[in-house]
This record gives sequence, structure tokens and C-alpha cells, in this order.
Amino acid sequence: LAKTTQPISMDSYEGQEVNITCSHNNIATNDYITWYQQFPSQGPRFIIQGYKTKVTNEVASLFIPADRKSSTLSLPRVSLSDTAVYYCLVGPALSGGYNKLIFGAGTRLAVHP
Amino acid sequence: NAGVTQTPKFQVLKTGQSMTLQCAQDMNHNSMYWYRQDPGMGLRLIYYSASEGTTDKGEVPNGYNVSRLNKREFSLRLESAAPSQTSVYFCASSMYNVGDPNEKLFFGSGTQLSVL
Repeated sequence: LAKTTQPISMDSYEGQEVNITCSHNNIATNDYITWYQQFPSQGPRFIIQGYKTKVTNEVASLFIPADRKSSTLSLPRVSLSDTAVYYCLVGPALSGGYNKLIFGAGTRLAVHP
Repeated sequence: NAGVTQTPKFQVLKTGQSMTLQCAQDMNHNSMYWYRQDPGMGLRLIYYSASEGTTDKGEVPNGYNVSRLNKREFSLRLESAAPSQTSVYFCASSMYNVGDPNEKLFFGSGTQLSVL
């Protein structure tokens, strides 16, 4: 199983850029990296997905170094509404059935006024 | 589009009672999943279904059964509820096949279940 390690919690202030790093040292060649966001009392919501280098969409950017052993989710100019739990998922391995569908504890981001 | 709809939103059971959590998606997705989330923890996969008529165990299947009734619906049944099954249950679906590199999950809003 490709396991991930993320900080348990982070604090930021409105207007700042927030970077959340996920470590996945045993990522397999065919694994993709996917990030989800979860607000209280809601199901997780897909944010961004990438394989290598940089991916950007209207919500966030995802930076993946050449060795792919880590990835960084970047949220530009956060607001109070970005307060949520962020999950990093890695997978699937070729031999895996549901490896990619395993969520860790995530990173709890608190944005302050 | 409603997306993924779960019913009920809240449920209280006594130990030993049975119940079925319903899930339906209107996105014509092939894959569907059931997760549970306990306080302060991530989601744990209970069962999944790669296509109509097929189901497979996930990380924590004990105490649960599932039925993929058709392409739209995937139900989760607790035959004899236990306090350890108190949790928030999420259903999800994906247009891609289970394990596909591009897989993206769409979640319902959850069912909060308490077993006394």
C-alpha cells in the first residue's frame, strides 16, 4: 500500500497562501496523487489530481517533484471558507484493488480572520 | 443533477436492530463505494462495487452487507447493529473503474448513525 503522511493540523490567516505537503515515499510508478477537501457535516470533495510536475485549476495548485516522493497542495489567498480537512491520496498500484481509495486522517486547516 | 443522494440523514438504533442505508447516484457512474468516518479520523472503506452485480470488501467489512441493486443504487445493511458501528456513513461514486488512475470520487452528504 502506498501510504501517505500529512501534518495533522495547520493554521493560517485570510489572504495568505497555504501549502500542505504530503509525503508518499513508496509511491508506485503508476500511482496518481489526488487531494480532497472536506467541510464539517459534508462528504469529501475532489480538489485536484496530478502525476508529475505541476497541475493548476481554479481552486488550487499541485506541485510534484521529480522523485514524486512528496507533493504539495497550494491554496492561494485563503479565506475563512477554506477552513476544512484536506486529504492526500496516492494510488492505485498495478496490483492493488482499492489502494487509492484509502483516506488517512488528513490535515485540518483553520483559517483565521 | 442531484449527484449522490443518501437516506436517511440521521438514524438512531438500539443494539441488535437492523437497518439499510440507501444510496443513489444520477451521474451514470460505474463504481460505487461505502465509507465510514469516525470522529477525528479519516474515511475507511467498507465495501465497493465496480459495476452492477459485483461487490467487494474494503478495509472494514465486518458487520455489514451490501447490494448493488442496479447501476444507480448501492445499499448498505447492518444486520445486527452494535455500538461500535456508531459513525457517519458516506456513499460515493466514480465514473471510472475501481483503481483507475484518473479516478475521482463524488460523495453524498452522509448518514449519521448512532447505535445505543
